[in-house]
Amino acid sequence: NAGVTQTPKFQVLKTGQSMTLQCAQDMNHNSMYWYRQDPGMGLRLIYYSASEGTTDKGEVPNGYNVSRLNKREFSLRLESAAPSQTSVYFCASSELPANQYFGPGTRLLVL
Amino acid sequence: GENVEQHPSTLSVQEGDSAVIKCTYSDSASNYFPWYKQELGKRPQLIIDIRSNVGEKKDQRIAVTLNKTAKHFSLHITETQPEDSAVYFCAARGGNNDMRFGAGTRLTVKP
Repeated sequence: NAGVTQTPKFQVLKTGQSMTLQCAQDMNHNSMYWYRQDPGMGLRLIYYSASEGTTDKGEVPNGYNVSRLNKREFSLRLESAAPSQTSVYFCASSELPANQYFGPGTRLLVL
Repeated sequence: GENVEQHPSTLSVQEGDSAVIKCTYSDSASNYFPWYKQELGKRPQLIIDIRSNVGEKKDQRIAVTLNKTAKHFSLHITETQPEDSAVYFCAARGGNNDMRFGAGTRLTVKP
């Protein structure tokens, strides 16, 4: 039982490049979330998927897109990366209303 | 959507003293309030949670109280130890099933 996994662990991009962050969970949870955490700050919700087939915007969705590929997987895409998107990205999953389990995070640096 | 405010942003206590962190939320439909501990470079981990039908919950040295009327909830840590030093986040699940986090409290326990 791996819990929530994220790939890659670390990525460096140049401004304007695109990439997809992958997240998968093996706990059969219905809900999945993407957050960003900037240095010394809290977690800000980017997008979430309350159940398979649905996605909703969070606090800071601009510049991102998501895909709930199936119940297990929820990906986050940056179409044209900007330096302001340098952050640590956490994926989480949960059953409602209950604790969220977080992945180990992806550290993204945009130059 | 939900808005969560957390105070204080930093807290320093002597070992053995108590620590209290307070949060307020805006969405009256919020029904689940977890607290997370995050150590440097690691993912957030749940330490305690409370649902909207309960006013208080305790787990050893940690307790959480919820005042639904005033829309605030608090984390209480008694007999603090150096290993309690970390960043603590409160969160609230809103009526849209989105989870919003407070900005965090950096707790330092001095030996």
